[in-house]
Amino acid sequence: AQSVSQHNHHVILSEAASLELGCNYSYGGTVNLFWYVQYPGQHLQLLLKYFSGDPLVKGIKGFEAEFIKSKFSFNLRKPSVQWSDTAEYFCAVNEDSGNTPLVFGKGTRLSVIA
Amino acid sequence: GAGVSQSPSNKVTEKGKDVELRCDPISGHTALYWYRQSLGQGLEFLIYFQGNSAPDKSGLPSDRFSAERTGGSVSTLTIQRTQQEDSAVYLCASSKVRGNNEKLFFGSGTQLSVL
Repeated sequence: AQSVSQHNHHVILSEAASLELGCNYSYGGTVNLFWYVQYPGQHLQLLLKYFSGDPLVKGIKGFEAEFIKSKFSFNLRKPSVQWSDTAEYFCAVNEDSGNTPLVFGKGTRLSVIA
Repeated sequence: GAGVSQSPSNKVTEKGKDVELRCDPISGHTALYWYRQSLGQGLEFLIYFQGNSAPDKSGLPSDRFSAERTGGSVSTLTIQRTQQEDSAVYLCASSKVRGNNEKLFFGSGTQLSVL
């Protein structure tokens, strides 16, 4: 079965610091990869996704993620975080073929302080 | 509707009672998913529907959990004889079609507390 690992449970950064959140998955075949974000008091929403093409994916609010197949990784990055980026971030993966559900990691809570 | 709607937003129940959680997906979305979010555990897949049928029930934790969907729209997740370990946020999501790279639209969830 697939699994998704997010290395950091809670990350605390100052405004303008750079961000990288790790995500690794276990499936060896072709995958679709996603980052979802949950802002305080709001529902989960899609930040970005990769399913083919350029492995560097750009999402909303200046976020990007890079798919590195050899490392089974899909790390999320942002060059300069803002206070409004405080949220919980979830990496998710599913297999490209078949009726497989989207498998989520346990999430990383990001706190950005002024 | 404008988004995925879930009700109730909060439910407190006593151990052993049955509960029903409702999800109204976005109009026209054929795929519907239920997930459970427990503290520190991320999102656990429970079940998904394509139309009214549920091809994948593999995530349901026990036979106390069941779900149905009628008219290709509203879905109900039922938990019988609730236990304290069932306490969690139950999230519903929908997508236009059942596709592996489709974006999921999530509701705000139902916070279930079993005393």
